[in-house]
Amino acid sequence: GQQVMQIPQYQHVQEGEDFTTYCNSSTTLSNIQWYKQRPGGHPVFLIQLVKSGEVKKQKRLTFQFGEAKKNSSLHITATQTTDVGTYFCAGGGNEKLTFGTGTRLTIIP
Amino acid sequence: GAVVSQHPSWVICKSGTSVKIECRSLDFQATTMFWYRQFPKQSLMLMATSNEGSKATYEQGVEKDKFLINHASLTLSTLTVTSAHPEDSSFYICSARDRTSGRASVVDTQYFGPGTRLTVL
Repeated sequence: GQQVMQIPQYQHVQEGEDFTTYCNSSTTLSNIQWYKQRPGGHPVFLIQLVKSGEVKKQKRLTFQFGEAKKNSSLHITATQTTDVGTYFCAGGGNEKLTFGTGTRLTIIP
Repeated sequence: GAVVSQHPSWVICKSGTSVKIECRSLDFQATTMFWYRQFPKQSLMLMATSNEGSKATYEQGVEKDKFLINHASLTLSTLTVTSAHPEDSSFYICSARDRTSGRASVVDTQYFGPGTRLTVL
């Protein structure tokens, strides 16, 4: 079946440093979605990318969808303590979402 | 935006009992709802797809007789964990797909509920 992997599994950064998580799918995706889950919370939708090579920005967050629609990345510029949490990508296709393994971000003040 | 609620938010039960979890779409109709399970420090794993008025579609390895799903209306799906055991302790999260967005485009927007934390003693 479809597998969606993310690297790194964990990332500890100093506040103000940048952060990037990478998402790779074993199959071509119709779309990719990104979610953020705070400790003890539920996934919160961040963004959805549909087009090959698409790049979208949300303030300090930049999302990319690969040309082959099999990989994606999330980059956070100048991290803040409010960015802590686990970031999941989720591949869309066949009406279902397949969640990636997640990257847990911790911020060192 | 679309809102999905879950009830209860947490439950503690004894081994062998059954627990029902409700998932409601509050301001939209959802022909399709999804049930996920998340163990500590792990990703969300899809358990089943719940379609209004028809039988749920279970993912491989998920016991349909243990995890009973009912989607009786366009705004409510229920998951019943039957004869719960400690290994069923987990965070159960539902999501609902907005019927209108599903019809209007090819994208697959799901709205997640706040989750139900189940602890089986």
